[in-house]
Amino acid sequence: QQQVKQSPQSLIVQKGGISIINCAYENTAFDYFPWYQQFPGKGPALLIAIRPDVSEKKEGRFTISFNKSAKQFSLHIMDSQPGDSATYFCAARSAGTASKLTFGTGTRLQVTL
Amino acid sequence: GAVVSQHPSWVICKSGTSVKIECRSLDFQATTMFWYRQFPKQSLMLMATSNEGSKATYEQGVEKDKFLINHASLTLSTLTVTSAHPEDSSFYICSARDLTGGDTQYFGPGTRLTVL
Repeated sequence: QQQVKQSPQSLIVQKGGISIINCAYENTAFDYFPWYQQFPGKGPALLIAIRPDVSEKKEGRFTISFNKSAKQFSLHIMDSQPGDSATYFCAARSAGTASKLTFGTGTRLQVTL
Repeated sequence: GAVVSQHPSWVICKSGTSVKIECRSLDFQATTMFWYRQFPKQSLMLMATSNEGSKATYEQGVEKDKFLINHASLTLSTLTVTSAHPEDSSFYICSARDLTGGDTQYFGPGTRLTVL
């Protein structure tokens, strides 16, 4: 199974709150899990990525939590800001130089004042 | 991070004409580039994988004769939409994988194609 399931489809969070987006996968061959942020009319930008040898990775206000046994990973945005309002995509990729990213369906985040 | 550029950023063409979109990796060499298509409020759909010096690999359901891909150098891939029709109107995004720089996949800014 190549599918990556992402939830929720949309999310509204107040400024200063925590935004949490979840993804689940089936393919145990996946070994790279990036998150991308996309603003309207722009290409996706890499936000943060993790490999399955660690359970958590933090970069500034963004944290990935990874649960290998459950085949789940999540993005946490701390102290959410209106500028974080965008669509977020999780993705997964297996090893190999020619392997492809499999994307989740996306989560539209709106951070309100 | 590494930069991937696309040109043009938007294009309007008449039905039946062909349109070429360029994708360049500006500060790294990319043996593999990817072309995606994205409809409004939807996820990215991989169209094809472009391999430098060889034929592209197309995803199931993507017409190879309609979407011509050429990867002539380690920094340039082109997508040509031939005999464009209104249903080809979409947001096309290229991506390149930096195998030496953390094996990260970077995306271009996208090209908005409108076929009249």
